[in-house]
Amino acid sequence: DAKTTQPPSMDCAEGRAANLPCNHSTISGNEYVYWYRQIHSQGPQYIIHGLKNNETNEMASLIITEDRKSSTLILPHATLRDTAVYYCIAISAINTGTASKLTFGTGTRLQVTL
Amino acid sequence: DTAVSQTPKYLVTQMGNDKSIKCEQNLGHDTMYWYKQDSKKFLKIMFSYNNKELIINETVPNRFSPKSPDKAHLNLHINSLELGDSAVYFCASIGRLAGEQFFGPGTRLTVL
Repeated sequence: DAKTTQPPSMDCAEGRAANLPCNHSTISGNEYVYWYRQIHSQGPQYIIHGLKNNETNEMASLIITEDRKSSTLILPHATLRDTAVYYCIAISAINTGTASKLTFGTGTRLQVTL
Repeated sequence: DTAVSQTPKYLVTQMGNDKSIKCEQNLGHDTMYWYKQDSKKFLKIMFSYNNKELIINETVPNRFSPKSPDKAHLNLHINSLELGDSAVYFCASIGRLAGEQFFGPGTRLTVL
């Protein structure tokens, strides 16, 4: 699975959009980009994933560049409860089910402030 | 209902003791995992079981022995506990998607 690089920390004002970047320049054609977050002392939580098209769900939007070398997770209206460490992970679609494993990096610590 | 549950939430014990952590998922998933998150917050996979069969073992010391009595349960037994075993241990299960894992709330193990 491709290595991902994220800034160690970011701040965002409550109510504003939080844009979290991720670099995955060595991603291969069959690797998806997954985003998780870990709120303090809790288990990681799946947010969203994508292959090459932009994706949106009730939690966030995912923008993947056309060359797929980077992506941005967007929390459209950040709240204090969105303060967490956000992880970007590339995982091969081939490794489905039994053999898939998530390799967590250091992530981005997002601090949402009043 | 909690999808993935772990017991206990906290575990404090002495070096050399043997302890177990239990995990249960009610999602009907076939594959479950154990992860370890150390004091520096690095989250690393330890084991993966599919339908009671060991699939992944990430060079974890053999003091750690996972046991899966059925596909809804994956327990972790640790023998001869060491100071370096202090960490938060997370159980997870995986659904249809390769990367969508459901994590439990974690068990904070402290070895004194």
